[in-house]
Amino acid sequence: GAVVSQHPSWVICKSGTSVKIECRSLDFQATTMFWYRQFPKQSLMLMATSNEGSKATYEQGVEKDKFLINHASLTLSTLTVTSAHPEDSSFYICSARGILNTEAFFGQGTRLTVV
Amino acid sequence: AQKITQTQPGMFVQEKEAVTLDCTYDTSDPSYGLFWYKQPSSGEMIFLIYQGSYDQQNATEGRYSLNFQKARKSANLVISASQLGDSAMYFCAMRDLNQGGKLIFGQGTELSVKP
Repeated sequence: GAVVSQHPSWVICKSGTSVKIECRSLDFQATTMFWYRQFPKQSLMLMATSNEGSKATYEQGVEKDKFLINHASLTLSTLTVTSAHPEDSSFYICSARGILNTEAFFGQGTRLTVV
Repeated sequence: AQKITQTQPGMFVQEKEAVTLDCTYDTSDPSYGLFWYKQPSSGEMIFLIYQGSYDQQNATEGRYSLNFQKARKSANLVISASQLGDSAMYFCAMRDLNQGGKLIFGQGTELSVKP
C-alpha cells in the first residue's frame, strides 16, 4: 500500500506555544488529506478535510483559527495547533487519499502533550 | 446523517478461535464504502478490509472476512484463528462517496486474545 509519513511522532510543548505537525505522502499524490483527533480509549474524530490548493473544510465545533491546516502541495499537509493548551493534548493522525485510491492511507500519528 | 455503531466496547477470544466484531451503519446514500481498521497500542491505523456497497460478495483478506448484510445495514468483521498479535482496538468506518470521501468511525472494540 501507499506510504504516509507523519512527523513528529510525539511532541511536548509549553502552554501558549504553537506546534506544527507534518503529513507527507511519500509515493503518491494526495489530492485530499484528512486530519483526525483521538482521545484515549475513544474513536477518531474528523477535524478537517483539505484538498490541495484549497482552504480546508472544518467539521462543526473545530476552531479553524486554532487548528490551522495547510495543504500547499500534493505531497504535504500541515496542521498547526496555535496557542496550545493542556486540553489540546491528544493523538493527532492524518490520512491521505489520491485521486485513484479507494482507501485513504494513515500516517503514524502524533502524540501531543501540552504542559 | 451517517452513523456507525460498534456495540461491543471489549471482547475476549481464546487463541486459535474465531471472533466476530459487530458493526452497524446508517446512511441514506446508496453509494458508500465500509472499512475495518486495526489500531495497536502504538497508535497506527492498519487497514484490514474493504466492502463497497455494490459489491455482491463478502470481502475476504486472509484471516479477515466481512459479513456484509446490506438489508440489515451490518458489516461485521470475522477474524479466524485468532493470534496473540490480534489484540488491539478495531474500528469500523464508513465512507460516503458523495461527501468528499471522509471516513466516519465507530466507537471501536478492544479485542483481547487469551493464550
